[in-house]
Amino acid sequence: AQSVSQHNHHVILSEAASLELGCNYSYGGTVNLFWYVQYPGQHLQLLLKYFSGDPLVKGIKGFEAEFIKSKFSFNLRKPSVQWSDTAEYFCAVKPSGGSYIPTFGRGTSLIVHP
Amino acid sequence: SQTIHQWPATLVQPVGSPLSLECTVEGTSNPNLYWYRQAAGRGLQLLFYSVGIGQISSEVPQNLSASRPQDRQFILSSKKLLLSDSGFYLCAWRETGGTGELFFGEGSRLTVL
Repeated sequence: AQSVSQHNHHVILSEAASLELGCNYSYGGTVNLFWYVQYPGQHLQLLLKYFSGDPLVKGIKGFEAEFIKSKFSFNLRKPSVQWSDTAEYFCAVKPSGGSYIPTFGRGTSLIVHP
Repeated sequence: SQTIHQWPATLVQPVGSPLSLECTVEGTSNPNLYWYRQAAGRGLQLLFYSVGIGQISSEVPQNLSASRPQDRQFILSSKKLLLSDSGFYLCAWRETGGTGELFFGEGSRLTVL
C-alpha cells in the first residue's frame, strides 16, 4: 500500500517569504499526485494535481508543485506568500489506473504573518 | 454543476447514543463516495468508501458503520457512540473513472460527552 509523508507539520512565515512544503510518497508504480488546501472555516479543496506530462504543475493562487520521480517527491512551492495563504495543506497520492483510494499525508499547518 | 451536502454541521451526543451523519451528492451519477475522519496532526483517515449502491468497504475496524441506500447518498452511523468517536468527519466524492480528484463536503463536528 502507498504512504505519504509530509515533513513540515507547522510552518510560520512572514508575508512575501517563499514557501516550500515537502511531500514524499512510497509506492512502486505510477501515481497520481494531489495537493489540497483547507482555509480556516472552509472545506478541503484541490490546489493542484499531477497525472502525467510536465512534472512542474501550476495550481490556483500562484502555487506550483514539482514531481521528481527519482526522489518520490511532490513538493509544493510559492515564491511569495500572502496572509490569505494561511491554511492547512495536504498532500495525497493515488495509484493510477483503477485504484479508488487516495492516501493523504498528515497535513502542514501554514501561518503567514502580515 | 455538482454539489455535496453534509449534515449536521455540528453534533453533541452523549456516550452510548446513536449517530447518523448524512451526505448527498447532486449533479453526478454513480460517484465513488468516501467518509474520512480528520484529526489535528493526523491528517485524513479513511473510514469507509463505496463504489456503488449497497457496496461498502471498511478501512478501519471500529464502532462505526456506513451505508449507501441510494446512488448519491452516503450515511455514517453508530449504534452506541464512544468518547473516542469525537472528531471531524468529512464526506467526499469522485467521479467513477475520473481524474481521481476528491470533492469534499463541509464536514461534521461530532463531540461525544
